Amino acid sequence: DTEVTQTPKHLVMGMTNKKSLKCEQHMGHRAMYWYKQKAKKPPELMFVYSYEKLSINESVPSRFSPECPNSSLLNLHLHALQPEDSALYLCASSQGQGVEQYFGPGTRLTVT
Amino acid sequence: GIQVEQSPPDLILQEGANSTLRCNFSDSVNNLQWFHQNPWGQLINLFYIPSGTKQNGRLSATTVATERYSLLYISSSQTTDSGVYFCAGTYKYIFGTGTRLKVLA
Repeated sequence: DTEVTQTPKHLVMGMTNKKSLKCEQHMGHRAMYWYKQKAKKPPELMFVYSYEKLSINESVPSRFSPECPNSSLLNLHLHALQPEDSALYLCASSQGQGVEQYFGPGTRLTVT
Repeated sequence: GIQVEQSPPDLILQEGANSTLRCNFSDSVNNLQWFHQNPWGQLINLFYIPSGTKQNGRLSATTVATERYSLLYISSSQTTDSGVYFCAGTYKYIFGTGTRLKVLA
């Protein structure tokens, strides 16, 4: 099984809402990632978890809060987002940190 | 910071044509990977190629790490090859600028 799943596929939220994005992998990978991709731009790294511990935070605003409950799951909690946070949010996993990555299908987020 | 430039930025081909996409990096990126992003946003792994040459069907890739570039070859292109192609240095978590490919029937 070489699949990374993400839910939901689409999300529309207001600026005062709280929502969560979920990512799951069952490949036994020990590193998981969140990327953000704006239209017509490449993905940009947000967070890296390695062995369930936050390894890298690319100076992401605190309205984005990652969580890694176990080695298969990665969540991204969203609160008080801005319209400019509308983007495709991609989750990835890899055997170890910084090697071949496998991506989920993404969550397309719209903040109104 | 490290810059990863891809060329050409846009490419239009007739079905059946061949093409070469290039990825140049300003510093060592280690662990280079090629992806195809389909129109729905899914990033599909093509190659994990830190160095050397690999082939998979109509696609092949070559990375010359000492000269800081990688090439992706697409032969006998099909309409399903359309989308955006990214190279990425997974060790530094940095993506290239992308090549947008459109294959016409």
